[in-house]
Amino acid sequence: DTEVTQTPKHLVMGMTNKKSLKCEQHMGHRAMYWYKQKAKKPPELMFVYSYEKLSINESVPSRFSPECPNSSLLNLHLHALQPEDSALYLCASRRTGTTVSGYTFGSGTRLTVV
Amino acid sequence: AQSVTQLDSQVPVFEEAPVELRCNYSSSVSVYLFWYVQYPNQGLQLLLKYLSGSTLVKGINGFEAEFNKSQTSFHLRKPSVHISDTAEYFCAVSDTGTASKLTFGTGTRLQVTL
Repeated sequence: DTEVTQTPKHLVMGMTNKKSLKCEQHMGHRAMYWYKQKAKKPPELMFVYSYEKLSINESVPSRFSPECPNSSLLNLHLHALQPEDSALYLCASRRTGTTVSGYTFGSGTRLTVV
Repeated sequence: AQSVTQLDSQVPVFEEAPVELRCNYSSSVSVYLFWYVQYPNQGLQLLLKYLSGSTLVKGINGFEAEFNKSQTSFHLRKPSVHISDTAEYFCAVSDTGTASKLTFGTGTRLQVTL
């Protein structure tokens, strides 16, 4: 298995809703990432998990709450989002340790906040 | 911290012509370099990566790139493009640490026409 799987592919939520994005990989990668991509812009880093521990938070608002329950799974919990949070949310993973690998990206969740 | 500059926001080219997409990076430490392609409404696909070793890197779909440390460049080339190469291309850089983060350039839109 050489993929990063993200679900759902599309999500529409109201500003008072609570929802979660899910990311899964079975490549044994111990670094996992959340990126946010607005239209016609490059992806911007949100969070980095290394060995299931949060190592980087790029000053993301608390309405975004990441969780890494095990080495294969990464969640992003969403609550009280704003319309400007509408974007493509990308998950990525990377092998760590002595064998270096590239970053593998999922196909993303397209989020619309109404 | 690292940064990436993609000088060309758009590159128009005729089918079967050669193309070069420019990328320059800035970093005070050793880096890994990547090129990703993004087709409309899709995630990111890795074209090629430079981690170490030979400075000429060959990737998928006939693309190649050359790492030039003295000029801090990592330009992407293809000798003959196809209509299907029309997409957004992102150059990206990361440091070599365990919890490294991938930083993207602003992207170059390659538009291939007949």
